Amino acid sequence: EPEVTQTPSHQVTQMGQEVILRCVPISNHLYFYWYRQILGQKVEFLVSFYNNEISEKSEIFDDQFSVERPDGSNFTLKIRSTKLEDSAMYFCASSDFRSGEQYFGPGTRLTVT
Amino acid sequence: DAKTTQPNSMESNEEEPVHLPCNHSTISGTDYIHWYRQLPSQGPEYVIHGLTSNVNNRMASLAIAEDRKSSTLILHRATLRDAAVYYCILDRGGADGLTFGKGTHLIIQP
Repeated sequence: EPEVTQTPSHQVTQMGQEVILRCVPISNHLYFYWYRQILGQKVEFLVSFYNNEISEKSEIFDDQFSVERPDGSNFTLKIRSTKLEDSAMYFCASSDFRSGEQYFGPGTRLTVT
Repeated sequence: DAKTTQPNSMESNEEEPVHLPCNHSTISGTDYIHWYRQLPSQGPEYVIHGLTSNVNNRMASLAIAEDRKSSTLILHRATLRDAAVYYCILDRGGADGLTFGKGTHLIIQP
């Protein structure tokens, strides 16, 4: 069964550093998403991406964040200058428009020290 | 956005059916009702979705009230592996991000 994959599984970085989280969505999916979950809190939507541009973004997705689909398979989330409060699990998801169900990856745990 | 209301937690015994309720009294005509679950230390997992009619798949059944103001996720025979947080989410489909609430923490007793 096809699945969404994410790398790395755990990323530790120092405050102020840039990080790039990588995702490989399911190959025939057209919509891509990033979510985050701070420990013990709700899953929060960050951004959705379709046809090589952002479709929707939340208030959390400020100028420090960017997304890119650099090739036909990868989908990345970049945080330019990490803050302590960016520590969270980051989940990538993808969907086929016709069904609408989103398939989530296993997540990347980002720890900012 | 229309909101959903779910009990904070529910407990059931292994091998028994589980009925997880969700109220969504302000649902609009184009909102799909989605259910996701999150097992411990994992990403959310799609369970089922529907618009107006009841739906069945290999994981669960979704019963939707005639006025669509509530729905029930039915796990026909719970296993220990079904212990998770279950989220009822309204979604217009397409590129929209999902709005997760706190969900229902389902505890399965052996």
